[in-house]
Parts: sequence; C-alpha cells; structure tokens
Amino acid sequence: NAGVTQTPKFQVLKTGQSMTLQCAQDMNHEYMSWYRQDPGMGLRLIHYSVGAGITDQGEVPNGYNVSRSTTEDFPLRLLSAAPSQTSVYFCASSADRPYSNQPQHFGDGTRLSIL
Amino acid sequence: GESVGLHLPTLSVQEGDNSIINCAYSNSASDYFIWYKQESGKGPQFIIDIRSNMDKRQGQRVTVLLNKTVKHLSLQIAATQPGDSAVYFCAETRGGTSYGKLTFGQGTILTVHP
Repeated sequence: NAGVTQTPKFQVLKTGQSMTLQCAQDMNHEYMSWYRQDPGMGLRLIHYSVGAGITDQGEVPNGYNVSRSTTEDFPLRLLSAAPSQTSVYFCASSADRPYSNQPQHFGDGTRLSIL
Repeated sequence: GESVGLHLPTLSVQEGDNSIINCAYSNSASDYFIWYKQESGKGPQFIIDIRSNMDKRQGQRVTVLLNKTVKHLSLQIAATQPGDSAVYFCAETRGGTSYGKLTFGQGTILTVHP
C-alpha cells in the first residue's frame, strides 16, 4: 500500500515564486490535513479538509491555499513564496477526525527552502 | 494560554533499559492525547493514544500514563531498542470541536545506545 504520497521530496524556490505541493492518498480517507514542521517546534496545522469540496483553515493558514476536488488529492499552494515559509511540510489523512481514534497517516514530507 | 510541551528535549538510554518521555499540557479541556514517533526523514507515526477518562493504556512495549491532576502525560517504552531511536511527540485535541485539531508538543529526541 502506498498510503500517503507527497511530491516533491525536496524543493528550492526563490522569493516570490509560486508552487504546489502535492499530496495523494489511496486509503479512501475523508479527512486530510497539511502541517508544517519548523526546527525545535512541533507540527502546526495549516489547512484541513473533511471531504471533497470542503476545506478550512488551521493554525497558520496565511500564505497558503488548498483545494479538495477529489477524495484522493489535497494539494497545497504557495502563491508567493517567502523565506518564512522555509520548512518541512507534512500531509496526513485519516478515516475520521483526529478525536475519533482514527489515527492519522502521514506522508514522508516535502522539504522546502525559500531563498 | 493552552500549550502542549515536553519537559526533556533529549533522552539517552542504553539498549534494554526502560525509557520515559514526558509531556505537560496546560488546558484542562484537553481530553484526547496521542503519542507519535518520527524517524529521521520520515513523517510522524502513530504509537498510542489515551482519553481523559483513562489513567493508563498499554500497547506493545509501550504504556501511556495520564495524570489529569497535574496535567501530565508520559510515554514508557519497555526494553528500549536501537530501533526506538527517534523524535517522540505528544499531541492533544479536544472533543466538541468540528474537526478536533491536533496541537503538537515540540518533541523529545530519544537516543538508544547499543
């Protein structure tokens, strides 16, 4: 089973460039989310989705957009990259909300550097 | 304010020893807690969870203890192995919200020496 697949694994951007981080899951999970992980800090929620066509903001949504046109895919878009967005980005999926004992499955991350 | 944090950022143990990783939370409304393991270059992996109506929960070689009086959570790993070397995160969420957003602690680095 592939689980949660994130692409690319590494990316370097210049300030002001845009890009899309891809996330796909093959477990038919309704719930998907994006986190960023900075050195010395835990994961922080950027955006999440409770199903196709439904998205909402997390703790640190500024500078990021998401969409959920299918159950399988949940791309994260950086419209105008800033050095403060240098981080490791993780996508996760689960069959139900985190509170419901359904464990979140995480991808292996995208390491993004903004110069 | 609400927070989830760890007392010890690093922990070094010998193979075969028992490990204890601690986590403190400040919001008394927190009622569901999860421990994750993150190996280098990988995403977090679910280890074990516990609800606030429980004080203890056991898994395979792992035990989570919850002390609501002092708002403290711990992860015990029995007979620690080199493969247990990783960063361990606690996370919390609260029922009643529309999603159950997870708040993560900063992590503890566990190093197991052969």
